[in-house]
Amino acid sequence: GENVEQHPSTLSVQEGDSAVIKCTYSDSASNYFPWYKQELGKGPQLIIDIRSNVGEKKDQRIAVTLNKTAKHFSLHITETQPEDSAVYFCAAKGGHSSASKIIFGSGTRLSIRP
Amino acid sequence: DTEVTQTPKHLVMGMTNKKSLKCEQHMGHRAMYWYKQKAKKPPELMFVYSYEKLSINESVPSRFSPECPNSSLLNLHLHALQPEDSALYLCASSLTGTGDYEQYFGPGTRLTVT
Repeated sequence: GENVEQHPSTLSVQEGDSAVIKCTYSDSASNYFPWYKQELGKGPQLIIDIRSNVGEKKDQRIAVTLNKTAKHFSLHITETQPEDSAVYFCAAKGGHSSASKIIFGSGTRLSIRP
Repeated sequence: DTEVTQTPKHLVMGMTNKKSLKCEQHMGHRAMYWYKQKAKKPPELMFVYSYEKLSINESVPSRFSPECPNSSLLNLHLHALQPEDSALYLCASSLTGTGDYEQYFGPGTRLTVT
């Protein structure tokens, strides 16, 4: 089945700098890659997603890139702000027999230093 | 509106109690999910309902019993739980259970088993 690895597990950046979180996946049939942000005491919130027919997607300060050949995808946050502090999960979905299942990475705890 | 609601927000129960968690969405989604999340870990899939029918059970112990009374409601009945079942229980929904549709999560129920 699908396996998703996520790095780093913790990330601390200066406010205003950029943050990058990287994920790799194992199932070449995966075709949908969402990113979730989870703040303390809340459920995961979908912040951006990318499908396998595109290589990059942007939404204001957030961008995601996908390299299907290498089976990795990344989240880029520019001009970081204190409210970006949270745990971020990458995920992969699709494949032949598990169309309903999202497989999550282990999470990255992002801290923004003032 | 991409809101999934869950009640109660917090629940403390003894090992001999019977309780239920409730989830509701009014987005017209036909797939609903229960996840379990332990501290500092990603969500783990428990059950998937597609068109009110149970489509995935991730080998969850029978002390957890899901129910989908209609397309908007999802319940999780709890009986004879163990302290290790203490966790954040998350509900999610998506347009359908197949394909690459976004999953939207509720805020979760924080369950403590004493």
